[in-house]
Amino acid sequence: DAGVTQSPTHLIKTRGQQVTLRCSPKSGHDTVSWYQQALGQGPQFIFQYYEEEERQRGNFPDRFSGHQYPNYSSELNVNALLLGDSALYLCASSWGDRDGMNTEAFFGQGTRLTVV
Amino acid sequence: DAKTTQPNSMESNEEEPVHLPCNHSTISGTDYIHWYRQLPSQGPEYVIHGLTSNVNNRMASLAIAEDRKSSTLILHRATLRDAAVYYCILRVPVAAGNKLTFGGGTRVLVKP
Repeated sequence: DAGVTQSPTHLIKTRGQQVTLRCSPKSGHDTVSWYQQALGQGPQFIFQYYEEEERQRGNFPDRFSGHQYPNYSSELNVNALLLGDSALYLCASSWGDRDGMNTEAFFGQGTRLTVV
Repeated sequence: DAKTTQPNSMESNEEEPVHLPCNHSTISGTDYIHWYRQLPSQGPEYVIHGLTSNVNNRMASLAIAEDRKSSTLILHRATLRDAAVYYCILRVPVAAGNKLTFGGGTRVLVKP
């Protein structure tokens, strides 16, 4: 089992550009969540996808959007990049059942995005 | 979101137990207490979770206060590999998003 895989591992973009990050969930998981982690801080929830729909969203602007495919893989898109978007972006997968709070989430290694 | 409070940092000697406290006075009856840790340059890793009763697994033990307003993660014999940031998180029901709300965590330093 490959666990949660994210690509790319590192990325450098210029302010104003757009970026797409990708995530493949752990085998058998149907729910994908995205988090942003600034240096020295805990991860902050961006949004969660279940059954190809955004189920909940954190306090992030509309520049942050996502998608989930039928095979449960997911993408995070960020438009009009700002310097402040530089961070580690983490993907987590889990079961989306009704008792999901009684299950663990598995995280990928993250994508380190640097905006210059 | 229900909040948790943890000390910023703790130090321990190798092969000694480590007790990591967490306060969550606003916890509701259906919130699960989860612990994750993040080693340097890695994504967070699940450690343990529980609702009301104490829990044990191969990594750690979780002691939950009777009123559920606090909990303690116990690493029985710290190793150098246990040096990480440990996060105490309240996981809310799916209807509330089922997300993980991370705080600042406790940075654990293990001395040889």
